[in-house]
Amino acid sequence: EAGVTQFPSHSVIEKGQTVTLRCDPISGHDNLYWYRRVMGKEIKFLLHFVKESKQDESGMPNNRFLAERTGGTYSTLKVQPAELEDSGVYFCASSRWVTGIDEQYFGPGTRLTVT
Amino acid sequence: GENVEQHPSTLSVQEGDSAVIKCTYSDSASNYFPWYKQELGKRPQLIIDIRSNVGEKKDQRIAVTLNKTAKHFSLHITETQPEDSAVYFCAASRYNQGGKLIFGQGTELSVKP
Repeated sequence: EAGVTQFPSHSVIEKGQTVTLRCDPISGHDNLYWYRRVMGKEIKFLLHFVKESKQDESGMPNNRFLAERTGGTYSTLKVQPAELEDSGVYFCASSRWVTGIDEQYFGPGTRLTVT
Repeated sequence: GENVEQHPSTLSVQEGDSAVIKCTYSDSASNYFPWYKQELGKRPQLIIDIRSNVGEKKDQRIAVTLNKTAKHFSLHITETQPEDSAVYFCAASRYNQGGKLIFGQGTELSVKP
């Protein structure tokens, strides 16, 4: 089965610009999570979708970040306008079951650099 | 808020030695504790996990122990090999409440041949 994919793998943008990251979860996985790792620190939770609904967006840093998952398949995370502190690696993860324990499979990440 | 403390941040061992990484969590309702390994340039991958109703779990050379009273859990790698070199992340989660993972800061393990 194909793993979680993310696009692009790298993005370099200037402060004030807009960037959209995409995540394609494993087919059939209802749960989709976004995480971020900044400057070698811990991987931090951003938000969680169950199908197309936002289950938990408590980790979103501010209203410059907008996540969508139209149709319950792929998801996008838009940063607008980007700030220097948004630089980091953005990971997407997916899992199958809504109830019970299920492994979260991670994508390779998108490295975002804001200059 | 919820947080997980992980130590050490870096660990260097000789091939064949054991490595131990320790984590402490703050949310007493956490009931699922996975460990992820991230090799350079690759995605984090689950290597072992433990649920709160179990005190220890082993899978070949890796084992995890959990002390719910003290709210800490540890990863043990025996007979380390150079291919064990990677960044290891512990995490805590309430799997029955959405399952978001709260990660530790990561441990960079280096195994010298």
